Amino acid sequence: SQQGEEDPQALSIQEGENATMNCSYKTSINNLQWYRQNSGRGLVHLILIRSNEREKHSGRLRVTLDTSKKSSSLLITASRAADTASYFCATSKTGANNLFFGTGTRLTVIP
Amino acid sequence: GAGVSQSPSNKVTEKGKDVELRCDPISGHTALYWYRQSLGQGLEFLIYFQGNSAPDKSGLPSDRFSAERTGGSVSTLTIQRTQQEDSAVYLCASSRQGGELFFGEGSRLTVL
Repeated sequence: SQQGEEDPQALSIQEGENATMNCSYKTSINNLQWYRQNSGRGLVHLILIRSNEREKHSGRLRVTLDTSKKSSSLLITASRAADTASYFCATSKTGANNLFFGTGTRLTVIP
Repeated sequence: GAGVSQSPSNKVTEKGKDVELRCDPISGHTALYWYRQSLGQGLEFLIYFQGNSAPDKSGLPSDRFSAERTGGSVSTLTIQRTQQEDSAVYLCASSRQGGELFFGEGSRLTVL
């Protein structure tokens, strides 16, 4: 079974607005990663947050992690049309290195 | 090349035939993953190789699916007696242990 579940499944916003996507997972983790996928092909890594971290920033991306609630959020600020894509969280279980992906959030940014 | 390379990029086959999908990981990456993605769905974990350790095959959906990784580098995913429900994009990724994954562009399999 998949480790992570994203929420919402789909999100549509106007360019310039912020987009927030959430991820919930089931077991203790080593780290949590966010990936982006365009056009149903290869995924691109965005950011990794370790289990002992609570917040991380990278450019317009902000990721939070709450291990007590087993959840993470990805915030994209000042969205652009080029941010339109599917976004996935992926978790690595404690004691393991293989990654399990969530179901994804489809983000549409309207110009 | 510098990235993960997968071949073929597209494969159309008839039900019952066997198919092989190939993945060339990034040089020096010890970990290699195979995932399957059906249209509009998330990534389904299939198999994970890490160095010389026994692979984690827990995601393979049936005994028609197998994978090997020769010499710690190239990997081949084999699907025997293909079924229509095997139609999907098969994604390969590699990484240094515990690090970010680098994905190939995938192999789109269509079983008629």
